[in-house]
Amino acid sequence: ETGVTQTPRHLVMGMTNKKSLKCEQHLGHNAMYWYKQSAKKPLELMFVYNFKEQTENNSVPSRFSPECPNSSHLFLHLHTLQPEDSALYLCASSQDNRQGNTEAFFGQGTRLTVV
Amino acid sequence: GNSVTQMEGPVTLSEEAFLTINCTYTATGYPSLFWYVQYPGEGLQLLLKATKADDKGSNKGFEATYRKETTSFHLEKGSVQVSDSAVYFCALSDRGNTGKLIFGQGTTLQVKP
Repeated sequence: ETGVTQTPRHLVMGMTNKKSLKCEQHLGHNAMYWYKQSAKKPLELMFVYNFKEQTENNSVPSRFSPECPNSSHLFLHLHTLQPEDSALYLCASSQDNRQGNTEAFFGQGTRLTVV
Repeated sequence: GNSVTQMEGPVTLSEEAFLTINCTYTATGYPSLFWYVQYPGEGLQLLLKATKADDKGSNKGFEATYRKETTSFHLEKGSVQVSDSAVYFCALSDRGNTGKLIFGQGTTLQVKP
């Protein structure tokens, strides 16, 4: 149990579907992140939220829409995805103290397949 | 900008062999450095960390020393086990900039009995 829970673990969706990934952390952290992990590519940071405010968007296409209603929950809304969006989507949280010495805790990820 | 470079994998070793996975970084200021491990079908787990120069992080027989002069944070283990087979990621934390992690590309370790 890492304290960061992601649902669903696996998702298959068509290109015209709309779905959402959910992440919940029980660690009292104030920063949450979405990462994308594709085969044979480095981990890509997608979005960063600090105290519920989006502080970073790494040029992510608009078909990915994050939502952070409170500091414990993070969503990634998906619509009109492409097959190349198939990947493992990882959520993480940390205590953002601007000193950078606290580690991030990761969920187990959602394996997304776009067909 | 800040970046992390790891040695290419896969690394294939026999059980009880010595392991080194090289990691070098480029950063402004003084980042914290981390090693994460990802077992098959799982998310990333923190393996060890070091927050300042000459610090040594250690856990489960793994060690890494923060070397500022060579901007390196190489991962070592004296005797690997089959259960150590996983993907290992080196990362740095961007101080003063949301605390986000910047990862290397990952190194796959395969340990054979």
